[in-house]
Amino acid sequence: KAGVTQTPRYLIKTRGQQVTLSCSPISGHRSVSWYQQTPGQGLQFLFEYFSETQRNKGNFPGRFSGRQFSNSRSEMNVSTLELGDSALYLCASSQTSVPQTGELFFGEGSRLTVL
Amino acid sequence: AQSVTQPDIHITVSEGASLELRCNYSYGATPYLFWYVQSPGQGLQLLLKYFSGDTLVQGIKGFEAEFKRSQSSFNLRKPSVHWSDAAEYFCAVGALYTGNQFYFGTGTSLTVIP
Repeated sequence: KAGVTQTPRYLIKTRGQQVTLSCSPISGHRSVSWYQQTPGQGLQFLFEYFSETQRNKGNFPGRFSGRQFSNSRSEMNVSTLELGDSALYLCASSQTSVPQTGELFFGEGSRLTVL
Repeated sequence: AQSVTQPDIHITVSEGASLELRCNYSYGATPYLFWYVQSPGQGLQLLLKYFSGDTLVQGIKGFEAEFKRSQSSFNLRKPSVHWSDAAEYFCAVGALYTGNQFYFGTGTSLTVIP
């Protein structure tokens, strides 16, 4: 069974640009969550999608957005990039809510560098 | 406010020695607690989880953790560390009503010396 796949793995952007990151969850998983990981802040929850609907949203500005498609694949977009957006963006999938299923499965992440 | 604290930013242990990584949480509801491990360049892998029941939980790779409600702690332990255990360890807390929105600690980096 293939794991969570994130693309691209690495990318470099300049301030003011926008970026789109993609996540393909494990087959059969309907929930996709996104986290931002930085050395100073650790992992911070961005949002969760379940059956194409945003179920939860973290405390990030509106420049951060996402969506989920009918095949459960998800994308997140960051517009008007700032230097502080440089981070590892992790996607995680699960069949449904973790307390019911027991585990979030993480991808290897997309490392974004903003110059 | 919900939060997770991992007081130790970095720990160094000798191979074969015991290990304890600390985790304290602040959460308004009954917590669901997790420990994840992250090796360089990789995503997070679940080591163990606590939802309810026995407060001592066993995980993969010989790890265990104990939930202490009175101390709001969920410390991770391993009796004998292997060189391959060198990695970053994250404690996380969630709750039933928050879906997959977890709060993570800032991590503890483990170095294992031969």
